Amino acid sequence: AQKVTQAQTEISVVEKEDVTLDCVYETRDTTYYLFWYKQPPSGELVFLIRRNSFDEQNEISGRYSWNFQKSTSSFNFTITASQVVDSAVYFCALNDYNTDKLIFGTGTRLQVFP
Amino acid sequence: DAGVTQSPTHLIKTRGQQVTLRCSPISGHKSVSWYQQVLGQGPQFIFQYYEKEERGRGNFPDRFSARQFPNYSSELNVNALLLGDSALYLCASSLVFGNEQFFGPGTRLTVL
Repeated sequence: AQKVTQAQTEISVVEKEDVTLDCVYETRDTTYYLFWYKQPPSGELVFLIRRNSFDEQNEISGRYSWNFQKSTSSFNFTITASQVVDSAVYFCALNDYNTDKLIFGTGTRLQVFP
Repeated sequence: DAGVTQSPTHLIKTRGQQVTLRCSPISGHKSVSWYQQVLGQGPQFIFQYYEKEERGRGNFPDRFSARQFPNYSSELNVNALLLGDSALYLCASSLVFGNEQFFGPGTRLTVL
């Protein structure tokens, strides 16, 4: 069965700290995609990144970086020099390649204090 | 370009009633998916439509149905509402099957 686990329910940091959000997934598919979404208090899910299963290169986008390790089935997300605006719930998701549905984790609530 | 739009924003219904939620995808996107997000949980997949055909269905009862129109907009219908149907209903669109999905602001449904 496909599953995404985000063990960290809530993380609190002070502005400018680095923070890593963990994501572990399970799938039997050899081809799949992994995603991160941000959900601010407004409720809309904001797309951050999509990574396919054949590309294990780490990615950096500004203060955001992602570490994909197939050997440990993990796709972790790091925010460098966190800001108050980063406060949100972050979801990791895996797609079912046959139906294209997204399987979400339970989310990690990040609170960044000034 | 406009993003995914959903209507209405909020809705209050009573048990046993029926509700229709609407979604307009990003222009050019042919795939629309519906998700239910209960407070404190991650979104759960309900349906996906691609080129007006149902391509996937989640573990939801038959009270839930959907359709996609020729202009790729979509409706989600829920019959015989239960208290447990209270949730944020999210619509997502993607260009083609397998691409990243972009979400709308959601419709918050409250069932009393």
